[in-house]
Amino acid sequence: AQKVTQAQTEISVVEKEDVTLDCVYETRDTTYYLFWYKQPPSGELVFLIRRNSFDEQNEISGRYSWNFQKSTSSFNFTITASQVVDSAVYFCALSVLEGTDKLIFGTGTRLQVFP
Amino acid sequence: DTAVSQTPKYLVTQMGNDKSIKCEQNLGHDTMYWYKQDSKKFLKIMFSYNNKELIINETVPNRFSPKSPDKAHLNLHINSLELGDSAVYFCASRRGTTDTQYFGPGTRLTVL
Repeated sequence: AQKVTQAQTEISVVEKEDVTLDCVYETRDTTYYLFWYKQPPSGELVFLIRRNSFDEQNEISGRYSWNFQKSTSSFNFTITASQVVDSAVYFCALSVLEGTDKLIFGTGTRLQVFP
Repeated sequence: DTAVSQTPKYLVTQMGNDKSIKCEQNLGHDTMYWYKQDSKKFLKIMFSYNNKELIINETVPNRFSPKSPDKAHLNLHINSLELGDSAVYFCASRRGTTDTQYFGPGTRLTVL
């Protein structure tokens, strides 16, 4: 069975601090995809990144970076120099290629960035 | 312009009523989904349709019935609404098997 764990329920930081959101996943499949979505206070789900299981390269997009490590089954997300607009709930999700490509979500991490 | 749209955005209704939520995507995607987000923000798949065919039905009560009139639409009809159905319902769509799912803005359903 597949599972995604986001152990951090809530994180509070002050603007300009760096913050890392942890994500640990479980699957026996060799081919799978990992995602991060952002849910701001307005409620929509915004896609941030998708990674396949064969691509362990870290990715950087502006202030966002992702560290994918198969050895520890982790796909962590770091925000550098956080801003108030980063305040949101962040979800890590897993999808496997077994015919049912549903997204299995973690429970989310609520990030609050204070000015 | 909107990629995945849902109507209505808010739905307040009495227990026992029947209601529908509509979803449309203009991305040309093949597969559409319904997810439920409960009060603790937990997101879980309910259904998925590929080219109008039901693919996933994730132990959802029979009171929930999805309908896909065409590839671009996936509606959710709920009979005999219960208090526990109060949640935010998200529609999503994707193109190919390995592609990203894009979500609609959500419909907040409140059952009184």
